[in-house]
Amino acid sequence: GESVGLHLPTLSVQEGDNSIINCAYSNSASDYFIWYKQESGKGPQFIIDIRSNMDKRQGQRVTVLLNKTVKHLSLQIAATQPGDSAVYFCAEGTQKLVFGQGTRLTINP
Amino acid sequence: NAGVTQTPKFQVLKTGQSMTLQCAQDMNHEYMSWYRQDPGMGLRLIHYSVGAGITDQGEVPNGYNVSRSTTEDFPLRLLSAAPSQTSVYFCASTRRASGGDEQFFGPGTRLTVL
Repeated sequence: GESVGLHLPTLSVQEGDNSIINCAYSNSASDYFIWYKQESGKGPQFIIDIRSNMDKRQGQRVTVLLNKTVKHLSLQIAATQPGDSAVYFCAEGTQKLVFGQGTRLTINP
Repeated sequence: NAGVTQTPKFQVLKTGQSMTLQCAQDMNHEYMSWYRQDPGMGLRLIHYSVGAGITDQGEVPNGYNVSRSTTEDFPLRLLSAAPSQTSVYFCASTRRASGGDEQFFGPGTRLTVL
């Protein structure tokens, strides 16, 4: 069946450095991917999305890269700040989302 | 706009009890869904609805019922609670757009079944 998986359950970075969170998916027919941020005690919050006809999409301090050849996508956060501490999920699909397990991002001062 | 609201925030049940988790949205979205999130896991889809009067099963529907009598409300009912249903439950409402769908999640209901 469909699956989405994150490479690392935890990631620790220095404040001000760039963060890269990776995700792999198995369904080659997947055409829409989303990154969510989930802070403690809250629901997931939309960060950025990308369609399969794109390789890269940029937002404010975030960039998503999609490599369809190896079925891999990544979320890059520039100049990581303490407020970026959260669990990050990749998900694929539109209305019926399939979520990965999440990567907990910790920021070191 | 209140967005997506869920009640209660916390609930403890005994095995065999039934209860209803409430979800409401004020964004006039047709599409709504329920997910559960277990510790250290991503969200899994329980049930979803594409509009009033229409519901369908997701990945993990067993033990749950839903109904959608209005666009605004999408309650999730646990028929006979089991410890395996201990989880955090999130309701979501989807904004459809040509560039992609954006889901708005509620704050969650933390359920413990003893």
